[in-house]
Amino acid sequence: SQQGEEDPQALSIQEGENATMNCSYKTSINNLQWYRQNSGRGLVHLILIRSNEREKHSGRLRVTLDTSKKSSSLLITASRAADTASYFCATAGGGADGLTFGKGTHLIIQP
Amino acid sequence: DTAVSQTPKYLVTQMGNDKSIKCEQNLGHDTMYWYKQDSKKFLKIMFSYNNKELIINETVPNRFSPKSPDKAHLNLHINSLELGDSAVYFCASSQAPGTGYSYNSPLHFGNGTRLTVT
Repeated sequence: SQQGEEDPQALSIQEGENATMNCSYKTSINNLQWYRQNSGRGLVHLILIRSNEREKHSGRLRVTLDTSKKSSSLLITASRAADTASYFCATAGGGADGLTFGKGTHLIIQP
Repeated sequence: DTAVSQTPKYLVTQMGNDKSIKCEQNLGHDTMYWYKQDSKKFLKIMFSYNNKELIINETVPNRFSPKSPDKAHLNLHINSLELGDSAVYFCASSQAPGTGYSYNSPLHFGNGTRLTVT
């Protein structure tokens, strides 16, 4: 299975601190994507990193990908209360099984 | 200007009933999906569909059937509902590039339909 697994399952930090979440997967991938899910809402795409890329930035988000270790990390800098949500990584292997999601990291930003 | 919309938002029904969830996207995407999110927030793909092919996750019971009247709609019909079908169902769409099954495009999700089977 290509299922990603996020670590930690839950993370609580103070506003202004940086938050780091990790994702590990099992097989080769075409790309890896990160999504955010606010309570009671659908998932929102944050960033996509291809298998030949090592790092990508988008605003306060920084994503790294290490295909040799089959892992990725999502860093949110200068966290805000509005960043409180669940964060999921999803892998695409290029096959017919589409995106495979991990179980998510629940991030709580304390004001 | 909701991009992917699902109805209803909540659905409470009894075991054995048949129900449908509707999904519409106004993004002009050519591929639509149904995902199931269980109580532990685990998301699992059920179907992906474009105007060429329906791909079914083999673990999905045949009581579940997607129906697409046109490119902008992918409805989910569920027969003989069971307690274990209780979950949140998400519709999503993407513009899959080129041919084949490359998922190099972000998915756009609806806000989900919370199905409770009693």
